[in-house]
Amino acid sequence: DAGITQSPRHKVTETGTPVTLRCHQTENHRYMYWYRQDPGHGLRLIHYSYGVKDTDKGEVSDGYSVSRSKTEDFLLTLESATSSQTSVYFCAIGSSPGNEQFFGPGTRLTVL
Amino acid sequence: AQSVTQPDIHITVSEGASLELRCNYSYGATPYLFWYVQSPGQGLQLLLKYFSGDTLVQGIKGFEAEFKRSQSSFNLRKPSVHWSDAAEYFCAVGPALQGAQKLVFGQGTRLTINP
Repeated sequence: DAGITQSPRHKVTETGTPVTLRCHQTENHRYMYWYRQDPGHGLRLIHYSYGVKDTDKGEVSDGYSVSRSKTEDFLLTLESATSSQTSVYFCAIGSSPGNEQFFGPGTRLTVL
Repeated sequence: AQSVTQPDIHITVSEGASLELRCNYSYGATPYLFWYVQSPGQGLQLLLKYFSGDTLVQGIKGFEAEFKRSQSSFNLRKPSVHWSDAAEYFCAVGPALQGAQKLVFGQGTRLTINP
């Protein structure tokens, strides 16, 4: 299995608070991704990174920001959490060529 | 816009029966295609992928998929399912380019196995 960890694995927070989720990889892959998974929607891309300090928006980026200061870490921040951001968040990594993505175990976030 | 449709939200089959999960995509360029499986409470595991070449691809756990360009389909098959195949299955499409793979996923198909 690809070496990807996510922390925390579960979090409950209140509306309006900032939240940061961490993804850590030991594979030295260039590309890292954040997805959210919601029933009926599959997975949707939030943000992705193609190198240290290089990030770009995905399909559902509003209300989220990311940072990547080291190859191995990719942080997702909810600047002011809302109930609509209650979801399961998955980090993925990938290398080129090949381009399949390997997924972390997920973080279940509940915003009350 | 790119999209992936998995027409069946939930499928139930008997153990030992054959399985086909449907996936149709809409993509403006040559796509890369993937099937992932997710067991309850787990992350996603890659079953198989199609990049180019032979349109029938073999994956792990006895699964295979066939790419049909004319039908914009990439259906997943298994000749005989096992109880351990109960999970959710996701089809995904991405650009056939070097660089970041911004995958678009289908809604998923939940597979239940009857004993």
